[in-house]
Amino acid sequence: QKEVEQDPGPLSVPEGAIVSLNCTYSNSAFQYFMWYRQYSRKGPELLMYTYSSGNKEDGRFTAQVDKSSKYISLFIRDSQPSDSATYLCAMRGQGGSEKLVFGKGTKLTVNP
Amino acid sequence: DSGVTQTPKHLITATGQRVTLRCSPRSGDLSVYWYQQSLDQGLQFLIHYYNGEERAKGNILERFSAQQFPDLHSELNLSSLELGDSALYFCASSVQGTYQETQYFGPGTRLLVL
Repeated sequence: QKEVEQDPGPLSVPEGAIVSLNCTYSNSAFQYFMWYRQYSRKGPELLMYTYSSGNKEDGRFTAQVDKSSKYISLFIRDSQPSDSATYLCAMRGQGGSEKLVFGKGTKLTVNP
Repeated sequence: DSGVTQTPKHLITATGQRVTLRCSPRSGDLSVYWYQQSLDQGLQFLIHYYNGEERAKGNILERFSAQQFPDLHSELNLSSLELGDSALYFCASSVQGTYQETQYFGPGTRLLVL
């Protein structure tokens, strides 16, 4: 079983839709959870960062972590064509040199 | 723009050759991480350096090596290249490299081995 599972999509939605992106994981030691956005031929950019369980909101983006279910989500409200990108979840344990473990990414297209 | 720079942007070489990828971290960041991104494996952590010293190793092949210099820039050396080494190579940096921090990624070097 992979440490982090993420549906690769592709996911295609109309502009203005609510998008839900998800990852599951198997390592209960993960404490820090991140979402990155990667445009084509660019490096990943950090979008959201959360610690342990709970919700975090930033503008149109909401990140949720459910550690009991080992499940994390990213919601995008009022999606825009500029949101079209690949979204990668990433997580790490608690330790000075813990490596980030990434999902394979979900490719999202928002159609005008 | 994340503040992390990587050179070259593109590299085309032949099997068996050796190449060096360069990364300059954000100003003030002491930690540099290297990642490989391929279509089938996704983003894979290779190695982490903090202030010139190796901190952690991931899925890095023995043919690959890295170092971080006193000015904090880092180089990733790939030798005896194989077709399967074709991928995007990213570096990322953070201030200390502790669990509280997030990593900021450079634009990547696209390596093609023919």
